[in-house]
Amino acid sequence: GNSVTQMEGPVTLSEEAFLTINCTYTATGYPSLFWYVQYPGEGLQLLLKATKADDKGSNKGFEATYRKETTSFHLEKGSVQVSDSAVYFCALSDRSASKIIFGSGTRLSIRP
Amino acid sequence: GAGVSQSPSNKVTEKGKDVELRCDPISGHTALYWYRQSLGQGLEFLIYFQGNSAPDKSGLPSDRFSAERTGGSVSTLTIQRTQQEDSAVYLCASSLGGGLSDSLFFGSGTQLSVL
Repeated sequence: GNSVTQMEGPVTLSEEAFLTINCTYTATGYPSLFWYVQYPGEGLQLLLKATKADDKGSNKGFEATYRKETTSFHLEKGSVQVSDSAVYFCALSDRSASKIIFGSGTRLSIRP
Repeated sequence: GAGVSQSPSNKVTEKGKDVELRCDPISGHTALYWYRQSLGQGLEFLIYFQGNSAPDKSGLPSDRFSAERTGGSVSTLTIQRTQQEDSAVYLCASSLGGGLSDSLFFGSGTQLSVL
């Protein structure tokens, strides 16, 4: 079946470091891909999305490119801030059914 | 309302009791989802409602779990004869049209603890 695999955390970086959180997927057809973020004490919210191959989603300095050839949607940011500390979830829309499938989440901590 | 509202925010219950969790989606959103997030785990899909269509119940873990959505708006997730392994955060989300590129808007969740 369809699935999402993302790198395990926790990931700890210093402020201004470069961030990559890996996400790969297995899906039939052409899913849409998402990154959701959960800040401490807050609910899950959409960070960015891409709906077709080679699309790049971007928001708040984060980017992810939908790579069909490698079935990946890695999240990147050039210079992280303490305020980026959160749990990040990669997700895909399952076009063969109705559900959105989430990865297990990656906890990111940024040191000042 | 302005966002997805869930109640209660916390629920502590004894093993074997029934519980009801409520979700009030964003006004006008036709799609509603329930997920479960256990400690250190990802989001586990439970059930999906879209308009007047029959719900997708494929994620419900056992027949102790059920959900309904009245009038295409408020939804209630019911867990009968709760077990300790039911302890988790139960998240509700809604989206505008249920299209698979639509973004989900999540509530803050209900933390369920079964003693």
